[in-house]
Amino acid sequence: SQTIHQWPATLVQPVGSPLSLECTVEGTSNPNLYWYRQAAGRGLQLLFYSVGIGQISSEVPQNLSASRPQDRQFILSSKKLLLSDSGFYLCAWSVQIGGTYEQYFGPGTRLTVT
Amino acid sequence: DAKTTQPPSMDCAEGRAANLPCNHSTISGNEYVYWYRQIHSQGPQYIIHGLKNNETNEMASLIITEDRKSSTLILPHATLRDTAVYYCIVRYNDYKLSFGAGTTVTVRA
Repeated sequence: SQTIHQWPATLVQPVGSPLSLECTVEGTSNPNLYWYRQAAGRGLQLLFYSVGIGQISSEVPQNLSASRPQDRQFILSSKKLLLSDSGFYLCAWSVQIGGTYEQYFGPGTRLTVT
Repeated sequence: DAKTTQPPSMDCAEGRAANLPCNHSTISGNEYVYWYRQIHSQGPQYIIHGLKNNETNEMASLIITEDRKSSTLILPHATLRDTAVYYCIVRYNDYKLSFGAGTTVTVRA
């Protein structure tokens, strides 16, 4: 069966520090991968998605970046964190099933920028 | 994307059926209706999706009206663990989903 891992689960970082969040998927090949952010009490905002190694699409301008060095690895990074980067970061994967896509989410990383 | 409208919140008694409505009056013929839910502090969980026929799985049933302008997610026997935010999403066969505010469902003992 497929599983998705994210780490760390929680993170407290000072403003201006770098960030690296990692997501890995097991049990599937060539998945679409996604990074979402959820601010406190808000809905999910799609940040990046990737349909293959090295292929990254950004949905919103920001000081974050994403990379996909391996088929089942997706990394979210920042060189200098802002207070507004605080939130719940979720990684997800999907594959096409019978003509539609179902997305499956990881446990998330709660980031607090101080 | 077709826009969806959901009530902001609803309560349900434990053991009873929970009927969650969703309006999507601008849905086009090739757009699917998806339902996800998010339990507090967890990632969203896929529940079910459909195009025009009613669908049922081990978690829920999805009833789509004949004109496809609205749908209802039915949790047949709600439990306390079903307390969550439920999202109705309308999307063409595309891998990007847009999550709105959803309906906060509280199941009470």
